[in-house]
Amino acid sequence: SQQGEEDPQALSIQEGENATMNCSYKTSINNLQWYRQNSGRGLVHLILIRSNEREKHSGRLRVTLDTSKKSSSLLITASRAADTASYFCATDARDSSYKLIFGSGTRLLVRP
Amino acid sequence: DAGVIQSPRHEVTEMGQEVTLRCKPISGHNSLFWYRQTMMRGLELLIYFNNNVPIDDSGMPEDRFSAKMPNASFSTLKIQPSEPRDSAVYFCAGRAGQGNNEQFFGPGTRLTVL
Repeated sequence: SQQGEEDPQALSIQEGENATMNCSYKTSINNLQWYRQNSGRGLVHLILIRSNEREKHSGRLRVTLDTSKKSSSLLITASRAADTASYFCATDARDSSYKLIFGSGTRLLVRP
Repeated sequence: DAGVIQSPRHEVTEMGQEVTLRCKPISGHNSLFWYRQTMMRGLELLIYFNNNVPIDDSGMPEDRFSAKMPNASFSTLKIQPSEPRDSAVYFCAGRAGQGNNEQFFGPGTRLTVL
């Protein structure tokens, strides 16, 4: 079964609004990553947050991690139509650092 | 750098035929992963190579699937014989080193088995 489960499964917002996506996972992790996938393309790494970090920023992206709740959130501020994509969280298990387990993804539509 | 290169980008074949997917990772990336993505099962890891050696093939669904990495710049995933349920997008991804978890994905091969 998948390590990460994301919600919502789909999100539709207006350009300029903020988008928040959530990810929950099951086992202890070393770090958690977020990836973006545009339609018909491969995944692109966005940001990595380590298990001892609580928050991280990169441009318009803000990621939080709550290891006690085994959850993470990705916030995209001031969204743009170009942000339309699927977003996946990925975790690596403490006992298997090479293996990334991907969540089911959130499909984000940003309406112009 | 051209990034991870996969070929073909699209493959349509008939059930029972052999399919070979190819991947050229980014130079210097010594870890290589093959994934399969479907609507039903999401993104699944099939096999992981480190320094051209298969480390974990527990995700390979059946004996019909095999993967090789003869050198640091080339890997293949072969399905023989193919079945309609193998239809999916197959991704190759690389990683620079064991201390770096970021993976770099290729554009994928969309396989349709009729």
